[in-house]
This record gives sequence, structure tokens and C-alpha cells, in this order.
Amino acid sequence: NAGVTQTPKFQVLKTGQSMTLQCAQDMNHNSMYWYRQDPGMGLRLIYYSASEGTTDKGEVPNGYNVSRLNKREFSLRLESAAPSQTSVYFCASSRALSVFFGSGTQLSVL
Amino acid sequence: DQQVKQNSPSLSVQEGRISILNCDYTNSMFDYFLWYKKYPAEGPTFLISISSIKDKNEDGRFTVFLNKSAKHLSLHIVPSQPGDSAVYFCAASAISRGAGSYQLTFGKGTKLSVIP
Repeated sequence: NAGVTQTPKFQVLKTGQSMTLQCAQDMNHNSMYWYRQDPGMGLRLIYYSASEGTTDKGEVPNGYNVSRLNKREFSLRLESAAPSQTSVYFCASSRALSVFFGSGTQLSVL
Repeated sequence: DQQVKQNSPSLSVQEGRISILNCDYTNSMFDYFLWYKKYPAEGPTFLISISSIKDKNEDGRFTVFLNKSAKHLSLHIVPSQPGDSAVYFCAASAISRGAGSYQLTFGKGTKLSVIP
């Protein structure tokens, strides 16, 4: 079972460039999430989608946009990348209290 | 202000001994607590959870204790094994908020090293 799949695994951007992180889950979960993890920090919620067609801001949404394309896919877009967005990004999905994470995307913004 | 705190960034334990990881929270709305384990270059994986209506939950070598009055929970691993070496995150959720999603608030993590 694939679970939660994120692409790409690694990405280097220059300041001001844009990119989209892709996430797909094959568990038929309604809810999906994007978190970021910085060194010495826990995971912080960027955006979430409680169900297809809805998205809401989390703790640290500034500089990001999301799209819940369908039930399976939830993408995170950086319109104009900044060095402060250098982080490891995790996508997750859940059914009730079972939350499953992808393996992460390591993003560096130079 | 951190709502979930793990005050020990690291912990070293001998193989076979007990590992105790601690977590404190400040938000009284939290009613469900989880522990996640994370290896380098992997996503967090669920380990064990506890609802606020309980004070203990056990799963094999892993036991989580919840003290609601102190807003404190702990994860006990016994006996500890080298394969347990990882970063452990405490997380909390206020499931009563509804909306069909279960946003997690994470602590900063504790790196456990089990020494053979």
C-alpha cells in the first residue's frame, strides 16, 4: 500500500521562484493536511482540508496556497519562495483519529 | 506560546531499561493525545494514543499515562531496544472541535538514543 505519497522528495529553489508540492493518498481519507518541520521544532500546520472542496488555514499559512484537487490529492504552492520557507514539508491524511504522514519533501530556498 | 511542550530535547537509555518521555500541555481544550515516532528522512509514524477519558493506555512495550489535572502525559517504553532510537513527538488534538478534521499540535520532539 502506498499510503501518502509526496513529490518531489528534494527541491532547491532560488528566492522568488514558485513551485507546487504534490500529495496524494490512496486510503480514501476525507481530511488532508500540510505541515512543515524546522530544526528543533515540532511539526506546524500550514493548511488543512477537512473534506473535498474545503480548505482552511492552520498555524503558519502565510506565503502558501493550497488546492484540494479531488479526494485523493492536496497540493501546496509557494508563489514566491523565501529563505524562511526552507524546511521539510509533510503531507498527511486522516480518517477520524488515525493520521498518516508522507515521507516528506526537503525544500531549500537560496 | 507553545501549547505542547517536550522539555527534554534528548534522552539516552541503556538497552533493556525503561525509557520515559514526558510531555506537558497548556490548552485545556485538548482531549486526545498521540505519540509519533520519527526516523531520519521518514515521516512520523503513529505509535500510541490516549483519550482524555482514560489515564493509561498500553500497547506491548509502550504505555502512555495521562494526568489531566497536571496537564502532563508520559510515554514509557520497556524494555528499551536499540531500534527504538528515534525522535518521539507528542501531539494533541481537540476532537470536540469537530469540523471533521483532526488538527494536531505537536511538541518539539525528544531524541531517544538506546545504547546497546
